[in-house]
Amino acid sequence: DAGVIQSPRHEVTEMGQEVTLRCKPISGHDYLFWYRQTMMRGLELLIYFNNNVPIDDSGMPEDRFSAKMPNASFSTLKIQPSEPRDSAVYFCASSWTGSTLRNTEAFFGQGTRLTVV
Amino acid sequence: LAKTTQPISMDSYEGQEVNITCSHNNIATNDYITWYQQFPSQGPRFIIQGYKTKVTNEVASLFIPADRKSSTLSLPRVSLSDTAVYYCLVGASKIIFGSGTRLSIRP
Repeated sequence: DAGVIQSPRHEVTEMGQEVTLRCKPISGHDYLFWYRQTMMRGLELLIYFNNNVPIDDSGMPEDRFSAKMPNASFSTLKIQPSEPRDSAVYFCASSWTGSTLRNTEAFFGQGTRLTVV
Repeated sequence: LAKTTQPISMDSYEGQEVNITCSHNNIATNDYITWYQQFPSQGPRFIIQGYKTKVTNEVASLFIPADRKSSTLSLPRVSLSDTAVYYCLVGASKIIFGSGTRLSIRP
């Protein structure tokens, strides 16, 4: 498996535009996480899914942010409209619990560096 | 969710053993303790996970006392390439990162 794949790697957009970040988790994994990382706030959990169902979106900063997971192999994080304070690196991660009912190891993608000007 | 506390930064030298301690006083019965490593411009990478006593793999050892209110990540004979941020996490399914420990290794 190629690991968690995120696209695009870099995104520069103007304030007010819609931004869509994409993630392909590792095949067979049942958890998917979206994180945002900035120098000021560190690594923040935005939302996570279990078997394609959103479990906890309490980390989503506001209604401008939305995430979907239409199937086990694809997820999107959308920001509409984007603002300069959304500039950050966004990471997607996936993990497999199996019979342990816990996340033993989360695999992270390379991240998407978003710049909103 | 249990909150973790770890040193903001640590310095060491190549060839030394480095121990990073994390406190998690409110750890729940079904929580596991997991450590991740993050290099600049990369996503975090899993290092080790444990529930109690000692766990060892090819990268590190994890020591967990009986009360599980703290844990210590031990990196044997560090090298310059071990310079990174190390995160201690506790939990089961929800993976939340704290501030981490910025480890700097000098020649």
